[in-house]
Amino acid sequence: EMQLVQSGAEVKKPGESLKISCKGSGYTFTNYWIGWVRQMPGKGLEWMGIIYPRDSDTRYSPSFQGQVTISADNSITTAYLQWTSLKASDTAMYFCVRGGVAGIDSWGQGALVTVSS
Amino acid sequence: ALTQPRSVSGSPGQSVTISCTGTSSDVGGYTFVSWYQQHPGKAPRLIIHDVDRRPSGVPDRFSASRSVNTASLTISGLQAEDEADYYCCSYAGTYTWVFGTGTKVTVV
Repeated sequence: EMQLVQSGAEVKKPGESLKISCKGSGYTFTNYWIGWVRQMPGKGLEWMGIIYPRDSDTRYSPSFQGQVTISADNSITTAYLQWTSLKASDTAMYFCVRGGVAGIDSWGQGALVTVSS
Repeated sequence: ALTQPRSVSGSPGQSVTISCTGTSSDVGGYTFVSWYQQHPGKAPRLIIHDVDRRPSGVPDRFSASRSVNTASLTISGLQAEDEADYYCCSYAGTYTWVFGTGTKVTVV
């Protein structure tokens, strides 16, 4: 069975760094892209960016370019979303998603990131 | 973001339709339009892909279409379990995707 399993909830202070993960299983990891989606409290879904694990090609939404880093480790079929200096406005639920030519077909369970002093 | 109505409502058994308006650079330019259902506190779930294709396991009361730059999702025979938020999503070129603003469906 295909799954995307994300790391757990995080509570961080402003200025701290963070790396959350998304492990894919039950499919060939390099045959699909992995994307990240933000959902702020009570708000809608926002596309953040995408990585193609086969060649590590990474693209970001203009809103998130320079704010986060997306990476992947094919040896452990895991993708990552990373911040170097968190802000309170980064408080949100973050979903990893799997996609192919036709778009997103699967979602991780989500990881809640809370940034508060 | 693609434009969706903030909310729609209907009685059990009725039909409701949600619109998703974009441009020729996204909804109108590609067949990669999908719809997702999200219940409170849960991850979204794919219910429509490639404009009007239903994945296996999705009830046939969910249907979708597109006209020019507007995609639409129709829920026929509304059921209590259909009460959720619904989001459209479209490819927007250059490896980017864009979501709709989201629509809350209420079963009254």
